[in-house]
Amino acid sequence: KAGVTQTPRYLIKTRGQQVTLSCSPISGHRSVSWYQQTPGQGLQFLFEYFSETQRNKGNFPGRFSGRQFSNSRSEMNVSTLELGDSALYLCASRTGTALGELFFGEGSRLTVL
Amino acid sequence: GIQVEQSPPDLILQEGANSTLRCNFSDSVNNLQWFHQNPWGQLINLFYIPSGTKQNGRLSATTVATERYSLLYISSSQTTDSGVYFCAVERGSQGNLIFGKGTKLSVKP
Repeated sequence: KAGVTQTPRYLIKTRGQQVTLSCSPISGHRSVSWYQQTPGQGLQFLFEYFSETQRNKGNFPGRFSGRQFSNSRSEMNVSTLELGDSALYLCASRTGTALGELFFGEGSRLTVL
Repeated sequence: GIQVEQSPPDLILQEGANSTLRCNFSDSVNNLQWFHQNPWGQLINLFYIPSGTKQNGRLSATTVATERYSLLYISSSQTTDSGVYFCAVERGSQGNLIFGKGTKLSVKP
């Protein structure tokens, strides 16, 4: 069974640009959540989607947005990139219909110049 | 919100030694997970342990939910155990894991 897949793995952008990251969950998982990891702030929750609906959102500005498709794949978008957006972005999935462990992908490492 | 504190922040061991990592949390939770972050950044699941005790090879974990702490035991450590270990908790069920700052473990040969 394939794990959580994130693309791209690495990317470099410049300030002001926008970026879209993709996450394919484990087959059968309907919940996808996103996290940002930086050296200063650690791992922080961005948002969670279940059945194409955002169920929960962390404390991030509106420049950070996401969506989920009918096949449970999810994308997150960051607009008007700032230097501080440089981070490792991690996606996690789980079934979503009951409590259970989250499984993480390998992450997308974003560098903003 | 819930606070998660991990100790120690850094730990240096000789290969073969045993260690205990601790995770304290400030409120009741219904999910607790331990992760090992590999050098490429991926979070590897070690244990899903909202309560009780589990063992997997040289690793074991215990969560005492009533006292709001969890312990991760690593026995006979190996250099491949090096990395950062995270504890994460969740109160609801909507994917909002709250992470501690991690314990950075270095195992020397």
